[in-house]
Amino acid sequence: QQQVKQSPQSLIVQKGGISIINCAYENTAFDYFPWYQQFPGKGPALLIAIRPDVSEKKEGRFTISFNKSAKQFSLHIMDSQPGDSATYFCAASQGAQKLVFGQGTRLTINP
Amino acid sequence: KAGVTQTPRYLIKTRGQQVTLSCSPISGHRSVSWYQQTPGQGLQFLFEYFSETQRNKGNFPGRFSGRQFSNSRSEMNVSTLELGDSALYLCASSLSGTQVGELFFGEGSRLTVL
Repeated sequence: QQQVKQSPQSLIVQKGGISIINCAYENTAFDYFPWYQQFPGKGPALLIAIRPDVSEKKEGRFTISFNKSAKQFSLHIMDSQPGDSATYFCAASQGAQKLVFGQGTRLTINP
Repeated sequence: KAGVTQTPRYLIKTRGQQVTLSCSPISGHRSVSWYQQTPGQGLQFLFEYFSETQRNKGNFPGRFSGRQFSNSRSEMNVSTLELGDSALYLCASSLSGTQVGELFFGEGSRLTVL
């Protein structure tokens, strides 16, 4: 019930393309859904986050789509750039400073 | 503004030993969380401290412990090290008092157990 399932494990996208990473959860009490980006040798950094009262949130080239009934949320990266190559983690929380992370997606943007 | 600082960055221990990792949060942040990152299990929550009190705890054995000092700095300790404890240990700090907010992660302490 506490798991967050993330797919795909790895993703290769051409420069300028759209990168899409999906996550699914079981615990309907989750109320905060962030996405973190991690570069090699660095800690994760918050990219964008959403709460379940909205279905979509956009910040620059990054968009979270949230489907409460399906218990799914996804990250879309528009106009993907080589600098976006990193590992992306979705996560969820239930009203506490305790994040449950997905397994991560290694994204590679080919120039 | 300085980020989250973790020390040491790298360390090697042998089975049965113990280790203490240190974390200095961003100035003004009172919440400090610890996560374990491994290739197999991903990022897993260890515990969270706020104002020197453990507020949340993950599903790790009692060999894993932590504490927070009055200046919000935090330490975590792992006793009787096992090979499976080899991991990147990440500390994160947050301003948030009650509702979850952005976590700011350090670069981690990479522990290798031989």
